[in-house]
Amino acid sequence: DVKVTQSSRYLVKRTGEKVFLECVQDMDHENMFWYRQDPGLGLRLIYFSYDVKMKEKGDIPEGYSVSREKKERFSLILESASTNQTSMYLCASSSRTLGYTFGSGTRLTVV
Amino acid sequence: AQSVTQLGSHVSVSEGALVLLRCNYSSSVPPYLFWYVQYPNQGLQLLLKYTSAATLVKGINDFEAEFKKSETSFHLTKPSAHMSDAAEYFCAATPPGGSYIPTFGRGTSLIVHP
Repeated sequence: DVKVTQSSRYLVKRTGEKVFLECVQDMDHENMFWYRQDPGLGLRLIYFSYDVKMKEKGDIPEGYSVSREKKERFSLILESASTNQTSMYLCASSSRTLGYTFGSGTRLTVV
Repeated sequence: AQSVTQLGSHVSVSEGALVLLRCNYSSSVPPYLFWYVQYPNQGLQLLLKYTSAATLVKGINDFEAEFKKSETSFHLTKPSAHMSDAAEYFCAATPPGGSYIPTFGRGTSLIVHP
């Protein structure tokens, strides 16, 4: 069974901390994505990557960075966490015709 | 730019009743279309997809959707709702050429009453 695995289901971090959210896929997909999901706002694309060491900004990249050193792993980094980054974070990998496979999500709370 | 509209942020049905969740897309070229379901505190799971083959697409858990080009629609249906169908449903579209980034609708929350 194909999978996208996010390392943490729940995280609580303090304001100003550097936060790493990890995502690993086992489908050999080139494309990987990070979204955040907030009530009433749907899914908003933060960053995506279409190849190793490649990254592109999505709709809301401010305050975030990403790293893709290996094809299967795509990390989201909050350089200095703030309370407005409290959210559900979803990682996905994809092929165009097969659609996305999502991870289970990481619910991040910044206090 | 492509957009996906889901009519109704909440849909409420009784157990056993027909489920109809609406999705319309705006694009001059028919895109690839997807429905995803999200259960509480979970990621999104693919329910079904349309990729220019049969216009009536069957998915998991007895859901199906019909692509209607003339109406630019891809509505999701299920003949008989179960309590376990209560979840958030997202429609998404990916252009057949060019960018592979899908556009998601805002989501529809399905509420099932006993």
